[in-house]
Amino acid sequence: GDSVTQMEGPVTLSEEAFLTINCTYTATGYPSLFWYVQYPGEGLQLLLKATKADDKGSNKGFEATYRKETTSFHLEKGSVQVSDSAVYFCALADTGRRALTFGSGTRLQVQP
Amino acid sequence: DTGVSQDPRHKITKRGQNVTFRCDPISEHNRLYWYRQTLGQGPEFLTYFQNEAQLEKSRLLSDRFSAERPKGSFSTLEIQRTEQGDSAMYLCASSLRGGTTWNYGYTFGSGTRLTVV
Repeated sequence: GDSVTQMEGPVTLSEEAFLTINCTYTATGYPSLFWYVQYPGEGLQLLLKATKADDKGSNKGFEATYRKETTSFHLEKGSVQVSDSAVYFCALADTGRRALTFGSGTRLQVQP
Repeated sequence: DTGVSQDPRHKITKRGQNVTFRCDPISEHNRLYWYRQTLGQGPEFLTYFQNEAQLEKSRLLSDRFSAERPKGSFSTLEIQRTEQGDSAMYLCASSLRGGTTWNYGYTFGSGTRLTVV
């Protein structure tokens, strides 16, 4: 079945550091890929998405590229801020399915 | 429109009691989803509706769980004879049908946190 594997957290960085959160997936079809973010006390918010191989999703300085050859969708940001502290979830939707399969989440803590 | 609303935000119940949660999706969204999230894990899919039709149910949705979406608007999720293992955050999301590709993501509500004591 479908699955998503994320690097375990927490990831602790200083402000302005470079961020990478690794995400790899297993799917039977040609999935769409997503990153969701959950700020403390809030619901999940879509951060970015990519619907086909080699697409790059980007939003708020975050980027992720759909790499079919390595089945990966790593999240990157060049310079993190304290306000980026949150839990980040990688997810996929396999071909023809409406349900999302989520990874277990990676907590990011950014220190001033 | 303020997004997806869920009620209540928190629910504490005794084991064996029945509970019901409500979700009000974004008004123009015709798809509605329920997920369950336990501590330290990502959300797990439970079921989804397109308008009033329940089109998919996960094997996680045991016989004690039932979901409805009358008239294709709000939805309710009922858990009968609650067990301690039902303690989790129950998330609702909605989306607009957008063709065959994911042109639109979900919009999630803030969830209902259930604690079974």
